[in-house]
This record gives sequence, C-alpha cells and structure tokens, in this order.
Amino acid sequence: DVQMTQSPSTLSASVGDRVTITCRASESISGWLAWYQQKPGKAPKLLIYEASSLQSGVPSRFSGSGFGTEFTLTITSLQPDDFATYFCQQSNTFPPTFGGGTKVEIK
Amino acid sequence: EVQLMESGGDLAQPGGSLRLSCVASGFSFDTFVMSWVRQAPGKGLEWVSTIGATGENTYYAKSAKGRFTVSRDDSKNTLFLEMNSLRAGDTAVYYCAKTVSTVNDPFDIWGQGTMVTVSS
Repeated sequence: DVQMTQSPSTLSASVGDRVTITCRASESISGWLAWYQQKPGKAPKLLIYEASSLQSGVPSRFSGSGFGTEFTLTITSLQPDDFATYFCQQSNTFPPTFGGGTKVEIK
Repeated sequence: EVQLMESGGDLAQPGGSLRLSCVASGFSFDTFVMSWVRQAPGKGLEWVSTIGATGENTYYAKSAKGRFTVSRDDSKNTLFLEMNSLRAGDTAVYYCAKTVSTVNDPFDIWGQGTMVTVSS
C-alpha cells in the first residue's frame, strides 16, 4: 500500500497567518491527491482533489499543489473556522490511503 | 440536499457481529461507487471497503477481508456493511462515503458516522 506521511502533526497558528501543510507519498501518485478538513465530532469534508482542484463551495484561501510524491495544502489567511484537522489521501493506487493528519490549533 | 445517514453502530462483544446501514438521499445512489471509511478514537482515517455502482465489484482492506461484507440495495438507496468476528481493533466511528465517480476517486460526500465499540 502507498504510505502517506503528513507534516507537521500539529501546527499552532494565529488568525490571518499563512499556513502550509505537507504530504509525502511513499511512491509516485502523479496528481491523485485529495485534502480533507475534519472538525471534532464531524465527518471529513473534501477540500481539494487532483492535488490542486478546489471542491465546489470551498473558500479560495485554500489551495493545493504538488505532483509525484510531495504535495502541499496552503491556507493563505487563516480564519477562525479553519482550526481543524487536515488529512491527505491518495487515489492513484488501490487501496486508498490517508495521511496521519495535521491538527491546526490556535496559537 | 445530498445526504448520507448511517445507523447500526453499537457495543458488540469480541467475536460478535453487527450490520451497519447507510441511507442516501439527494442524489442518484444507484449510479455511484460507495465506500466505508473508519476512524478509531483519536486516530486517523482508514478505508475499509468499496462497492461498485452495480454492486458486482467489491473491495476490502486487508483488515476487513474475510470478516466484513459490503452490499447495497439500490431500491432502498441503502449501503450496508455486515461485520463478523469483531475485534477490539474494529472499534471506530464508521463513515459511509460517496466517491466522486470511479472506484479510485476521492470521497466527496460523507455521512455523520456511527460508532462501533467492540469490548467485553
């Protein structure tokens, strides 16, 4: 199975900060990467698919980039609603696998 | 409104069985690949099983193969997960999720989850 590694595991930031989360794949997954946001007690929400395509309804302050084995999720100006845990997921090779998550907490 | 609603989670004994259900609404259920994804308490997400749009093709994580069975009843817009020989490691919130299109696509719609606890 393709292993997905996220860093950092926890990130402390303030409202208005630019935040970057990294996801690395154990082998090339081309551009088949998705990002999800999850708040406590809630289901994950799809933010970005195919590495850089914004899901409908997701604010434009979220963006994704990368190809092959290294990917990033960037939030350009962190808002109070963005404090959550973020997961990456590869969909290049079955079975789908997820990163361990990055918790974005208030500094 | 597009919605998935799981049910069936409960406390089960090790070695026991449970059947989870997921009712879909707001989209053409019978044309989409559907999956189960679980999340152990305080942990990350783990894909469990996927069923193709026609129901003919099913896929399982190694941890689920031989113990879990995924099925669907398109007449009732319902996805099922039959879980047998339950272990403590199966304790998790189980989410049903709709894929964007194909088996390999990400999950664009998720249910609220149903909690399965395996303990004596």
